[in-house]
Amino acid sequence: NAGVTQTPKFQVLKTGQSMTLQCAQDMNHNSMYWYRQDPGMGLRLIYYSASEGTTDKGEVPNGYNVSRLNKREFSLRLESAAPSQTSVYFCASSETQGGGTYEQYFGPGTRLTVT
Amino acid sequence: AQRVTQPEKLLSVFKGAPVELKCNYSYSGSPELFWYVQYSRQRLQLLLRHISRESIKGFTADLNKGETSFHLKKPFAQEEDSAMYYCALRAYSGNTPLVFGKGTRLSVIA
Repeated sequence: NAGVTQTPKFQVLKTGQSMTLQCAQDMNHNSMYWYRQDPGMGLRLIYYSASEGTTDKGEVPNGYNVSRLNKREFSLRLESAAPSQTSVYFCASSETQGGGTYEQYFGPGTRLTVT
Repeated sequence: AQRVTQPEKLLSVFKGAPVELKCNYSYSGSPELFWYVQYSRQRLQLLLRHISRESIKGFTADLNKGETSFHLKKPFAQEEDSAMYYCALRAYSGNTPLVFGKGTRLSVIA
C-alpha cells in the first residue's frame, strides 16, 4: 500500500515550457487535491476533484489545468510555465462519503523550479 | 468564507518548556479542525483532529468556539517536535476541501 505517490520528485523548467505532474492513490479515495506550498503562504488549493469525473477550482487555479483520469489518478498540467509557479506541489486524497470526519493523505511533493 | 490564521511564523522554545501554537479561524458554521505536521523532508501528516479529542505525541488541542480558536499545546517540548505545523479547517457543509493556515515553524532548542 503506497498511499499517495507523485512523479516527478524534482523538475526544472524554462519559462514557457509545459509539463504534467502525476499523482496516484491506491486507497480507493473519492476525492483528490492539488496544493502548492510557498514560504510564508502555507498550502493553497489549486484544484480538487470531489469524485471521479468532476473537478473544481481552488484558491489559485490560474495557469493550471487538471484531469481526473480515473479514480486513482489526478494530474496537474502547466501549459506555459512562469517563474511565479516555482513551488512545491502536493497531491492529496481523502474519503469524503457522508458527513463523517475524514483525513487527507498527502504525497511526498514535487519541487518545481521555473527559470 | 473560511479562514485560518496562525499568527506566528516561527516559534522557538527550549527543550522541556511548554509549547503553544496558536490557531484562530473564521467560519459561520460548525467547523471541523485539524492539526497537520511536516517534519523535515517528509510529507504532511495528520497530527490530530478536534473530534477525536485525543493526545498524539503529547500534543493536545481544544476547540474553543467562543474564541474561535484551536490552539495546539504540549507541556514539555522535545527536540523531535521541531517541524512545520499547519492548522486546517473543513466546513461541515458538504464536500469541501481543507483550508490551511500559513503554518508555524516550531524550533526546539536543546
